[in-house]
Amino acid sequence: EIVLTQSPGTLSLSPGERATLSCRASQSVSSSYLAWYQQKPGQAPRLLIYRASSRATGIPDRFSGSGSGRDFTLTISRLEPEDFAVYYCQQYGSWFTFGQGTKLEIK
Amino acid sequence: QVQLVESGGGVVQPGRSLRLSCAASGFTFSSYAMHWVRQAPGKGLEWVAVIAYDGDNKHYADSVKGRFTISRDNSKNTLYLQMNSLRAEDTALYHCARAIDISGYWHAFDIWGQGTKVTVSS
Repeated sequence: EIVLTQSPGTLSLSPGERATLSCRASQSVSSSYLAWYQQKPGQAPRLLIYRASSRATGIPDRFSGSGSGRDFTLTISRLEPEDFAVYYCQQYGSWFTFGQGTKLEIK
Repeated sequence: QVQLVESGGGVVQPGRSLRLSCAASGFTFSSYAMHWVRQAPGKGLEWVAVIAYDGDNKHYADSVKGRFTISRDNSKNTLYLQMNSLRAEDTALYHCARAIDISGYWHAFDIWGQGTKVTVSS
């Protein structure tokens, strides 16, 4: 099983700042089959990025994904108030596993 | 609009069974692989099971293998999860989710239901 480790566990930033979230896999992720999801309290997860760097339908371009192999990054270029949430990475190249999440909170 | 709505959750004693349903609408259900994903209270996401578009192939997380069965009825646009021999650690919000593409399993999940809550307690 591929284990995904997200860092940091909590990220405290202000609106307008840049956020960088990391996801490291225990082994290489096949074909960059890596996705990022956003989840707000009481809501279902929302797909942001798939195939490491492709934005899902309707996702603003301030969200971007990068990486390959074992190391992946989600970047939010300028934080909006609605971006404060929990973010999960997921690999889907060898069955399906999720990272433990990064909580992005307002500083 | 494209939508998934889960139902069937509740409070059940350890060792008992429960069947969850997920009603799909707004898309061609029979073309997509479908998943169950759960989230224990205050915890992260855990993938549970996947079923191919035609129901012919199914796979499970080790934590539920042999106890849970995923199935679908494409004539009713409905996904199911039969949960047997329930344990306290199965307590979670159970979401159904759709694969983003119609070909095969290996896709991100683009549509999610709001979830149905399962509590296993004596």
